[in-house]
Amino acid sequence: DIQMTQSPSSLSASVGDRVTITCRASQRISSYLNWYQQKPGKAPKLLIYGASSLQSGVPSRFSGSGSGTDFTLTISSLQPEDFATYYCQQSYKTPRSKTFGQGTKVEIK
Amino acid sequence: EVQLVQSGAEVKKPGATVKISCQVSGYTFTDHYIHWLQQAPGKGLEWLGLVDPENGETIYAEEIQGRISITADTSTDTAYMDLSSLRSEDTAVYYCARGGVVGTTTIFTFQIWGQGTKVTVSS
Repeated sequence: DIQMTQSPSSLSASVGDRVTITCRASQRISSYLNWYQQKPGKAPKLLIYGASSLQSGVPSRFSGSGSGTDFTLTISSLQPEDFATYYCQQSYKTPRSKTFGQGTKVEIK
Repeated sequence: EVQLVQSGAEVKKPGATVKISCQVSGYTFTDHYIHWLQQAPGKGLEWLGLVDPENGETIYAEEIQGRISITADTSTDTAYMDLSSLRSEDTAVYYCARGGVVGTTTIFTFQIWGQGTKVTVSS
């Protein structure tokens, strides 16, 4: 089974900061990596698919990179509405493998 | 506008069965898989299964196979998830989500999500 590991599990940042979240797959998954944002009490929202493609309507301050086993989600300038939990998800070897990372909570410093 | 609208919260006793619906609008129902996911309180996301509305074919996660049934009704553009033999660990919010277009590499990309249905299992 593929395991997805995110780091850090949580971080504190200020408005305007550049924030980077990493996701590592236990085996190569090409570019089959998606990122989601979830706010408390709300459904997750797709931000990035195929490792680096921005979902329609998502602000350009969000970007994704990586391939193989190591991936990154970057928020170039953190905004108040970006405080949330972020999940990576592999869509390479499904459905029998675990698909999501454990999440990264971005909190206000 | 693409929307997935789920049925309301449920409270069930251990051993019971819960049925949750997910009605879609704004796109052709049969063009995309519908997935179901679980989020236990304070926990992450777990994929449970999918249905291809075109032909009713399903795939389930190994951990829940045997207790889950996912169906699709093309006359009402609605997908359903039945979860049986409920136990306290099934207390969670359940989401339906639309996958990418069938036949593409994005079928396991969860593009649009329902609002979630809270299921509480308690005696």
